[in-house]
Amino acid sequence: AQSVTQLGSHVSVSEGALVLLRCNYSSSVPPYLFWYVQYPNQGLQLLLKYTSAATLVKGINGFEAEFKKSETSFHLTKPSAHMSDAAEYFCAVSDGGSQGNLIFGKGTKLSVKP
Amino acid sequence: DAGVTQSPTHLIKTRGQQVTLRCSPKSGHDTVSWYQQALGQGPQFIFQYYEEEERQRGNFPDRFSGHQFPNYSSELNVNALLLGDSALYLCASSSELGAVVETQYFGPGTRLLVL
Repeated sequence: AQSVTQLGSHVSVSEGALVLLRCNYSSSVPPYLFWYVQYPNQGLQLLLKYTSAATLVKGINGFEAEFKKSETSFHLTKPSAHMSDAAEYFCAVSDGGSQGNLIFGKGTKLSVKP
Repeated sequence: DAGVTQSPTHLIKTRGQQVTLRCSPKSGHDTVSWYQQALGQGPQFIFQYYEEEERQRGNFPDRFSGHQFPNYSSELNVNALLLGDSALYLCASSSELGAVVETQYFGPGTRLLVL
């Protein structure tokens, strides 16, 4: 069965600092992995996805994630945080089919201090 | 190009009542999935509709049912509401054509409060 663990329910960084949000997955098949962002009182917006084409995946808003099979990880990074990055971030793994149904982690809330 | 839309945005019901939530998929998408997001949690998959039929279902009771119309829009119905059904209900749409794996695009959600 597929599952996702997000380490740290709350991460706080200063504006301009590196953002690192951690995600580890468990999957019985080669995984398809996603990062979504959720701003307050809104739905989920896709940041990036891994579908086995390349291990380093670049997304929107300057975010990127690296797939590491040996570590079963798919951590999300951004070199320099902006105030507008404050939101909740969800890592998700496909349930094993191509239909894309997702199993989400519990989320990490990112705060950005001025 | 309109994205995924959902209605209503907010809803208040009492225990035992029934509720219907609506979703219009992104233009060009033929598949609709529904998720429940409880406060402080990640979304949980309820079910998916494709070609007007339920294709997959998550671990939710039969009180949760749905429908997809010929124009690909969808409804989520919940009967005999419980306090624990209070959550944000998210609709996501996707398209099967040519994708290695479908990417789901989410609507803004309907926030349901059961009193």
